[in-house]
Amino acid sequence: GAGVSQSPSNKVTEKGKDVELRCDPISGHTALYWYRQSLGQGLEFLIYFQGNSAPDKSGLPSDRFSAERTGGSVSTLTIQRTQQEDSAVYLCASSPTGGQGEAFFGQGTRLTVV
Amino acid sequence: EDQVTQSPEALRLQEGESSSLNCSYTVSGLRGLFWYRQDPGKGPEFLFTLYSAGEEKEKERLKATLTKKESFLHITAPKPEDSATYLCAVQATSGTYKYIFGTGTRLKVLA
Repeated sequence: GAGVSQSPSNKVTEKGKDVELRCDPISGHTALYWYRQSLGQGLEFLIYFQGNSAPDKSGLPSDRFSAERTGGSVSTLTIQRTQQEDSAVYLCASSPTGGQGEAFFGQGTRLTVV
Repeated sequence: EDQVTQSPEALRLQEGESSSLNCSYTVSGLRGLFWYRQDPGKGPEFLFTLYSAGEEKEKERLKATLTKKESFLHITAPKPEDSATYLCAVQATSGTYKYIFGTGTRLKVLA
């Protein structure tokens, strides 16, 4: 089905390396979200994109984290100089109604920093 | 500060034993309340959206209700396949359309 697609599904990286995580939202969805889920924890908001508006970056934990969304579709979350505390599942979601209403999640990228 | 609290953290039920999960929320104004189901190793799966107090939604053995301060997810005659983590989230009327999640209730239904 045409759901939210994330890649890679798993990523192991060495401490200090940069990583890029990709999200393909559902076609036609204008809102896109990134969340982080640590083991046994709830979902932590990272960033929200809506159309051509400035993104809400209020959840990014440090300046090592950044994200972009190209052409209103695909999004990339970049983590620079990874640390062990960055290990988590990174989830992407998209919403058809500009974010008002339910969002649909991808399967996530499990990031392990060793 | 907007926040969501879910209880209990974990729940074990026998097959057929009905129960309810609670989601208490504090927001400046409620835009919407959402229930998701999450299976191990997977992303959250959307279940219900509730917008105003008194609203109810049903799907198979699940029924979600909403008051001005909390929501309940009622599970009637659960089956082992209902075992999952159930997540509650809210959107506030202030700020952007981000979702604020609770930490979830881990449900285990025993055959």
